[in-house]
Amino acid sequence: EADIYQTPRYLVIGTGKKITLECSQTMGHDKMYWYQQDPGMELHLIHYSYGVNSTEKGDLSSESTVSRIRTEHFPLTLESARPSHTSQYLCASSEGGNNQPQHFGDGTRLSIL
Amino acid sequence: SQKIEQNSEALNIQEGKTATLTCNYTNYSPAYLQWYRQDPGRGPVFLLLIRENEKEKRKERLKVTFDTTLKQSLFHITASQPADSATYLCALDEQAGTALIFGKGTTLSVSS
Repeated sequence: EADIYQTPRYLVIGTGKKITLECSQTMGHDKMYWYQQDPGMELHLIHYSYGVNSTEKGDLSSESTVSRIRTEHFPLTLESARPSHTSQYLCASSEGGNNQPQHFGDGTRLSIL
Repeated sequence: SQKIEQNSEALNIQEGKTATLTCNYTNYSPAYLQWYRQDPGRGPVFLLLIRENEKEKRKERLKVTFDTTLKQSLFHITASQPADSATYLCALDEQAGTALIFGKGTTLSVSS
């Protein structure tokens, strides 16, 4: 089993709130990723990181931001949540190098009222 | 841009049969192609990786093929079991090699 953890698993919150989704991995992986997935749809990459102090935006435009201050920790923040942010957010990590298998957490299901 | 097409309809088979899932891509041939399993409410779990110079890869009851001429990968589960019921995702490297592009997946249902 992969050692990557996401909290909370579920979050229902009102519009305008600031939200931070947590993601931690204990495998020492350099690369970490955030994906957004709606029911029955493909995963869309919204952020990734090659290592500490490295963050990049993915293909899907997102109003969220990320930080990578420690190798094991890659939190995602929404400054002001909106109903359009309702989705499942999946965090993953992989070893350095291209095309390594990704290890996923079980996601945070976010609902903005 | 690269697009991945997987069987949009669910695949229903009987226990003991072989399930075959298809992944087609539209643009450049990737250096690698990966298959993942996703259960409801869970994150994807990595199953197999196949390189462009490999025609076939096996792991226990799983087999993956990769045909760069057809721009297609096939994923086979032999002697399928109800526990194999899940959504199976195909993923390949985007051209810069920084990340993976995922298909929508095919939902497999194995009945006993």
